[in-house]
Amino acid sequence: AQSVAQPEDQVNVAEGNPLTVKCTYSVSGNPYLFWYVQYPNRGLQFLLKYITGDNLVKGSYGFEAEFNKSQTSFHLKKPSALVSDSALYFCAVRVPLSGGYNKLIFGAGTRLAVHP
Amino acid sequence: GAVVSQHPSWVICKSGTSVKIECRSLDFQATTMFWYRQFPKQSLMLMATSNEGSKATYEQGVEKDKFLINHASLTLSTLTVTSAHPEDSSFYICSARGSGPYEQYFGPGTRLTVT
Repeated sequence: AQSVAQPEDQVNVAEGNPLTVKCTYSVSGNPYLFWYVQYPNRGLQFLLKYITGDNLVKGSYGFEAEFNKSQTSFHLKKPSALVSDSALYFCAVRVPLSGGYNKLIFGAGTRLAVHP
Repeated sequence: GAVVSQHPSWVICKSGTSVKIECRSLDFQATTMFWYRQFPKQSLMLMATSNEGSKATYEQGVEKDKFLINHASLTLSTLTVTSAHPEDSSFYICSARGSGPYEQYFGPGTRLTVT
């Protein structure tokens, strides 16, 4: 079955320190991977995606993610965390549907708490 | 970037009534729209996928007669929760995909409370 796992319910980090939010995936074929952020009572905002090419992907708000095929991982990183980065982060993988369509499958989400 | 709006942002209704939620793509044409529901502190669960002009495809376990989806135009999809019950209370999020193959744009969500 195709799936996405985010092993940490919550990640705590001090402001200014580097942060990592973990994501592993299980898909058949080449994975198309995404990271989204959700602030309270809001929809999801796109951060970055990996489709092909360079394994290090840079996205919005200083975030980046590293695609590691051998470890089937796509961890989200940021060199220096901000308090305003505190939010809920979702990893997602695109899976194909019949008729040439596709859909996103989301991980359970990881709450990032950045402390001053 | 592309903007997706939802209306209303929150709604309270009585058990047994029906509620309609609108999802609009404001500056692009959405060939495909998705409806998700999210329970507190949980992930997004895909309910259905709709393509303009055709019937929605529902995920396993989602009652199509209860959650009616209409994707009548390239900029509008509606989700109607019929005969709502308290267990339907949730955060409903729509998403739209344009002509590009990868990006999905999400609406701000609608919080439904059924009393």
